[in-house]
Amino acid sequence: QSVLAQPPSTSGTPGQRVTISCSGGRSNIGSNIVNWYQQLPGAAPKLLMYSNKERASGVPDRFSGTKSGTSATLAISGLQPEDEADYYCASWDDSLNGLLFGGGTKLTVL
Amino acid sequence: QLQLQESGSGLVKPTQTLSLTCTISGASISSGGASWSWIRQPPGKGLEWIGHIWHSGTSYYNPSLKTRASMAVDRSKNQFSVKLTSVTAADTAVYYCARQDSYNSLQFWGRGALVTVSS
Repeated sequence: QSVLAQPPSTSGTPGQRVTISCSGGRSNIGSNIVNWYQQLPGAAPKLLMYSNKERASGVPDRFSGTKSGTSATLAISGLQPEDEADYYCASWDDSLNGLLFGGGTKLTVL
Repeated sequence: QLQLQESGSGLVKPTQTLSLTCTISGASISSGGASWSWIRQPPGKGLEWIGHIWHSGTSYYNPSLKTRASMAVDRSKNQFSVKLTSVTAADTAVYYCARQDSYNSLQFWGRGALVTVSS
């Protein structure tokens, strides 16, 4: 079981806004930045958001990230079919001295 | 553009040692303040960070794998590698190498290499 908790799945229709939560603790999200990754089917993960709210190169501004306390949220507005993918949050953990990933959230575009 | 490519044995017998190499192109393994990471993903499951290594050779590992994992760099070949000893079927996964920057973000990834542990 991942230390960073994400909902296993979520869904939305084209044009809708969806959010994905990532919940951790004081030693990880509470003390360090959060990064988000998008993994399309059959592909390697791709950096989506870094430093809590910064979009990686080429990422459309439909994607946004926030962090508050020991939780973080990825929001996708104007949902598009190509957004259907698995999304992972990640944060450094000072107690483990290692990088933690969330369990991943499968986004389905209906 | 920095590119990473994993290579190694795709089939390993139980109790043996898994060995993978990541070849870096488009940048030097010694450049910048980045470290070089290994991440794995069992079939149908999530991502697990194995550990990372700096060009100096200093490395850190996931505590859950610390006793079995080791990493090394070969600056002359612009490569880094991972070994995992005493493998079991639970180590069957796609193994990715990636560049880990000062934000601990993984901006560049290899395509991944499937390693199956089976007799």
